[in-house]
Order: sequence, then structure tokens, then C-alpha cells
Amino acid sequence: DSGVTQTPKHLITATGQRVTLRCSPRSGDLSVYWYQQSLDQGLQFLIHYYNGEERAKGNILERFSAQQFPDLHSELNLSSLELGDSALYFCASSGPAVSTNSPLHFGNGTRLTVT
Amino acid sequence: ILNVEQSPQSLHVQEGDSTNFTCSFPSSNFYALHWYRWETAKSPEALFVMTLNGDEKKKGQISATLNTKEGYSYLYIKGSQPEDSATYLCAFESFNKFYFGSGTKLNVKP
Repeated sequence: DSGVTQTPKHLITATGQRVTLRCSPRSGDLSVYWYQQSLDQGLQFLIHYYNGEERAKGNILERFSAQQFPDLHSELNLSSLELGDSALYFCASSGPAVSTNSPLHFGNGTRLTVT
Repeated sequence: ILNVEQSPQSLHVQEGDSTNFTCSFPSSNFYALHWYRWETAKSPEALFVMTLNGDEKKKGQISATLNTKEGYSYLYIKGSQPEDSATYLCAFESFNKFYFGSGTKLNVKP
């Protein structure tokens, strides 16, 4: 058990809808990272938050947004969903330093299916 | 977008065989190189984090080396066991971002 909790495990929704994925980092970790894994693709970096502030952005679409709250949990909001957004979304945490050299601890992922 | 490449894409070996795979990454703006083990239906688990050129790390029968000047890392598994079957990912860390390779899928047959 990595100590990172992601909810929900599975999500099925229709095109055009909006969903929110939630992540609670491991106790003591201040960094939260979001990754997307589409079919036959590797882990694509979306965004990194550290102690409530955005630190780095990857290939995150404008329809997607994220935030990290004072209690350090993070939410990834996906809107105007398209079929191609169907993927496994992972959250990972690390810390407490922002520049890590320490490993990422992954949650079990949220499987999003857009129909 | 940075390129992190892993080879081979997949590997099938017999129990007891030793094996190794490669991770290639940019040689500039290097912070660290990570290796993760990803079993089916689970989430990736950290194996090693390496930061210095020439670093060697070992965990049981698994070891890794790092060459930051030429931008590669090797992961070695000595005497593979069926429970070593997994996808092995490397990740290049730079400027608060982690760039993952596509992984090497290892299948160890009993």
C-alpha cells in the first residue's frame, strides 16, 4: 500500500460531461503529480502541485484543470469530455521537498471511460 | 517534450536467466533517474532513484547503473523468477517534472 488514495476507482460517463478525480497524498508528502495513461501509451505527465501551488505543467489540455487544497488533497477536473479522454489517470505523491530525488508513490488510478 | 526511451519493449526469459534492459534519456538538465516496477492491475512501485553519474544501486537480485554524461541507465535482474514478471519503467526527473519511458515488459517463464 503506497498510502496514496484515489477515488473513484472507475468512472463511466458520456461525452460532453464533466468529472472530478480525487487524490489524497501519502502522509507527509507535499507534492502531487497527475498522469494519464491512454491505451498503448506510456504515462503522460499532466501537472504537478507542491503545497497548494502549481509547479509544473505537462501536456494538459485546456479542458482539464487541477488544484491542490490546504489539506493537500488534489482534484483533477476534466470537462467537455471526449471519447479520447478515456484513460487511466494516476496520481502520485512525493516529498516533503519540492525538488525531490525521492521516489513517486502512486495511487491505484482512476479508470475513466467516456461513452 | 523530452524523449525517454526504453529497450527492449518486451522480453521473455526462462526462470533463472539473468537479464538487463536500457533506459536512454537527455544528458542535459538532469536531476535524477528513477526506476519503477509495475505489476499488472497494480500501481507502479519505486525501485531506485539515482542522482550521480556512476551511481550503482542494488535491491536483492535487481541492480541499476547510471551514466548521466551519455544519458543511459541499465537495470539488471540476476536469476529471474516468475514473480519478477512486470513492466519496468524508468523516469527522467528534471525541473519538477518526471518523464516516463514506455517500459520494458518482462515475462519470466517457470
